[in-house]
Amino acid sequence: QVQLVQSGAQVKKPGASVKVSCKASGYTFTDYYLHWVRQAPGQGLEWMGWIDPKTGVTNYAQKSQGRVTMSRDTSISTVYMDLSSLGSDDTAVFYCARNIAVPIPFSRSYFYYFDSWGQGTLVTVSS
Amino acid sequence: EIVLTQSPGTLSLSPGERATLSCRASQSVGSSYLAWYQQKAGQAPRLLMYGTSYRATGIPDRFSGSGSGTDFTLTISRLEPGDFAVYYCQHYGSSSWTFGQGTKVEIK
Repeated sequence: QVQLVQSGAQVKKPGASVKVSCKASGYTFTDYYLHWVRQAPGQGLEWMGWIDPKTGVTNYAQKSQGRVTMSRDTSISTVYMDLSSLGSDDTAVFYCARNIAVPIPFSRSYFYYFDSWGQGTLVTVSS
Repeated sequence: EIVLTQSPGTLSLSPGERATLSCRASQSVGSSYLAWYQQKAGQAPRLLMYGTSYRATGIPDRFSGSGSGTDFTLTISRLEPGDFAVYYCQHYGSSSWTFGQGTKVEIK
């Protein structure tokens, strides 16, 4: 079965960077885009961007651009999310999620949605 | 950028009641690209619906979705104890994704 297993919780000081990993198993790693979603305490879900594990091409949400870098290591089926210049408002749970595209019947288009999620990684930014 | 606005923010209902959750888009969106997720406290979100009205694998038929254009609805016909959670709508378009701010369904 599809599994996305993320790295453990981290505590960082303001101004530092954090790197979170997401290891995929149960499917062909390069067949599906992987996304990162953040959730501040008590808040909603915020999409950060995606990476194509096959090519390494990325697309970041406007709000994330400049501070986030997504990368992958195909040899170990793992994607990474690097967030720099951390501030206290970056304290959040970060999730990776698999993006699936399913053909729409009688159409040339696709349904797009996130069918599997990692367990989440809490990043706490505190001095 | 499309903004999704969910209402109400909180829905207080009793088990067995019907829940109607709204997701309104700032501009018309394709119904194929509208999904709903359920999130329970301390857990990752779980896919409920995709393509507006298609239930994900294992989702019971008391969950249904409808809508088009800018107005979409998730309906839970008879709330069960495990349905009390936060629900998010999500849209995909032009290589970008957006979530609504969520509706909390709580026990009255």
